[in-house]
Amino acid sequence: NAGVTQTPKFQVLKTGQSMTLQCAQDMNHNSMYWYRQDPGMGLRLIYYSASEGTTDKGEVPNGYNVSRLNKREFSLRLESAAPSQTSVYFCASKPGQYHEQYFGPGTRLTVT
Amino acid sequence: SQQGEEDPQALSIQEGENATMNCSYKTSINNLQWYRQNSGRGLVHLILIRSNEREKHSGRLRVTLDTSKKSSSLLITASRAADTASYFCATSGSSNTGKLIFGQGTTLQVKP
Repeated sequence: NAGVTQTPKFQVLKTGQSMTLQCAQDMNHNSMYWYRQDPGMGLRLIYYSASEGTTDKGEVPNGYNVSRLNKREFSLRLESAAPSQTSVYFCASKPGQYHEQYFGPGTRLTVT
Repeated sequence: SQQGEEDPQALSIQEGENATMNCSYKTSINNLQWYRQNSGRGLVHLILIRSNEREKHSGRLRVTLDTSKKSSSLLITASRAADTASYFCATSGSSNTGKLIFGQGTTLQVKP
């Protein structure tokens, strides 16, 4: 099993550009999550999908949209990137009956 | 807003010593989890303690939970250089969405 995979690993955007961060898991997990991590801080939840077909806002959803494409894939879209969105983005998944989350390796995004 | 405050923010010890890090949180929880993050990598789940548990062990890890004080501690015994990482506590509320709120983390350096 590859676990949770994220693409791309690194990305540089100019202010106003758009992009989609991809996340996929091959563990048949029900729930998926997008977090951002800023220097010296813990992770903050952007959006989550408790099950296929549902998505909900987390703590910091402004400037982002998500799509739960199917059970495996959960994408995060920045429609008009801003320097404040410079961060490391982590995707995670969780099996339905358990509590621990499994994290991808992260996407390091810089917006200039 | 961050749920957890972690203390200390940074800790440097010699190999073989014990490392203790603390986490405080603000709201009622269903469980509290500890994660490790090696530099430049995703988070890895270490241990989970439920709100009705007071202490839990896993290998060299010992976690305590005091719900009356809304605090938890993670003890790593006989530390090794490979334990060098950042450690985060994360709390999960009573809903079954699996949403986690992370603390800011403790950076542990274990010197050989």
